[in-house]
Amino acid sequence: AQRVTQPEKLLSVFKGAPVELKCNYSYSGSPELFWYVQYSRQRLQLLLRHISRESIKGFTADLNKGETSFHLKKPFAQEEDSAMYYCALSPPAGLTGGGNKLTFGTGTQLKVEL
Amino acid sequence: DAGVIQSPRHEVTEMGQEVTLRCKPISGHDYLFWYRQTMMRGLELLIYFNNNVPIDDSGMPEDRFSAKMPNASFSTLKIQPSEPRDSAVYFCASSGFDRTGFVYGYTFGSGTRLTVV
Repeated sequence: AQRVTQPEKLLSVFKGAPVELKCNYSYSGSPELFWYVQYSRQRLQLLLRHISRESIKGFTADLNKGETSFHLKKPFAQEEDSAMYYCALSPPAGLTGGGNKLTFGTGTQLKVEL
Repeated sequence: DAGVIQSPRHEVTEMGQEVTLRCKPISGHDYLFWYRQTMMRGLELLIYFNNNVPIDDSGMPEDRFSAKMPNASFSTLKIQPSEPRDSAVYFCASSGFDRTGFVYGYTFGSGTRLTVV
């Protein structure tokens, strides 16, 4: 069964401090992994996906297959980063019948304090 | 494109009443998903459609919940009868596949905040 675990419900950091939001996954194979962000009372937005290897708003995420982790990092937190962050996975690209069905973690609320 | 459009934005109803939530996916997307978001459980996938056909409804909590997609541009999620524990934010999302099989444009709507009193 596929599962995404985000162990922290709330993460509070000071502005300028490094941020790491943890995500571990369980999947028999090589899934696609994503981070979504939800600002207060807004829709979920894609932050980044591992196959793109991009940095969005200063955030990066490295896939560690050995540890089955996909932690989200940012070297210096900004006040506007305060939001709910969801890690998600889907079966690999090209699979039929559910190839892009996303399984989400329970989310981590990031609070950046001044 | 206006994105994924959901209506209503807010719904307050009394226990036992029927509730219908609506979703218009992005034109050209052939997958549509319904999610429920609560504080306790986070985001849960309820059901998804491919080319208007329900593919997996294993996340639908019970028979009181039903979803339809009569055409490529419209889907409904119905709860009858509604109960207070159904109070949550319900999100609709749509996406497509490109020719290489990669997901593209996985986009969420703004959600419907349902309160059952």
